[in-house]
Amino acid sequence: NAGVTQTPKFRVLKTGQSMTLLCAQDMNHEYMYWYRQDPGMGLRLIHYSVGEGTTAKGEVPDGYNVSRLKKQNFLLGLESAAPSQTSVYFCASSRERTSGTDEQFFGPGTRLTVL
Amino acid sequence: AQSVTQLDSQVPVFEEAPVELRCNYSSSVSVYLFWYVQYPNQGLQLLLKYLSGSTLVKGINGFEAEFNKSQTSFHLRKPSVHISDTAEYFCAVSDSGGSYIPTFGRGTSLIVHP
Repeated sequence: NAGVTQTPKFRVLKTGQSMTLLCAQDMNHEYMYWYRQDPGMGLRLIHYSVGEGTTAKGEVPDGYNVSRLKKQNFLLGLESAAPSQTSVYFCASSRERTSGTDEQFFGPGTRLTVL
Repeated sequence: AQSVTQLDSQVPVFEEAPVELRCNYSSSVSVYLFWYVQYPNQGLQLLLKYLSGSTLVKGINGFEAEFNKSQTSFHLRKPSVHISDTAEYFCAVSDSGGSYIPTFGRGTSLIVHP
């Protein structure tokens, strides 16, 4: 099992450019999440999905869009990148959908720099 | 709504010394508590979790945590740290009454000196 994988690992964008980050999991998990990690801010939830075809906003959704067309994939899009979106992005997944007891499995992260 | 406070942003300690990383939470319903570790340039991985039962929970790499309901705390401890324990540690809480989406603390950077 590869677990949770993220593509790409690094990316440099210019302001106004767009890109899509791909997250894939091979554990048949229902829930998937996108976080950003910034120094001193911990992990902040951008968007999440509780199942194929569903998405919901998290704590900091502005400037991002997501899609979950297939259960194993969760895409994070930046339509017009801004320097404030320079961050490390983590994808995670979890199995349980009804109790809150299951831990999350994290990908290795994508380091994004917006110039 | 639930929230998590990690009281120390950085904890320096010498190798083989004991360490405690503090975590306090707030929630109006029953909670589930987690500690995750993030080694440099990696994603997070689970150290341990408390769901119910015994308040002392043992995890990987010799870490343990104690759930204290009256003090709403879930502090992480290790009796003797190693250089390899240098990492960022995150406390997280989810509860039984909401969307089951966990809330993370801001993290504590454990720095182990030789």
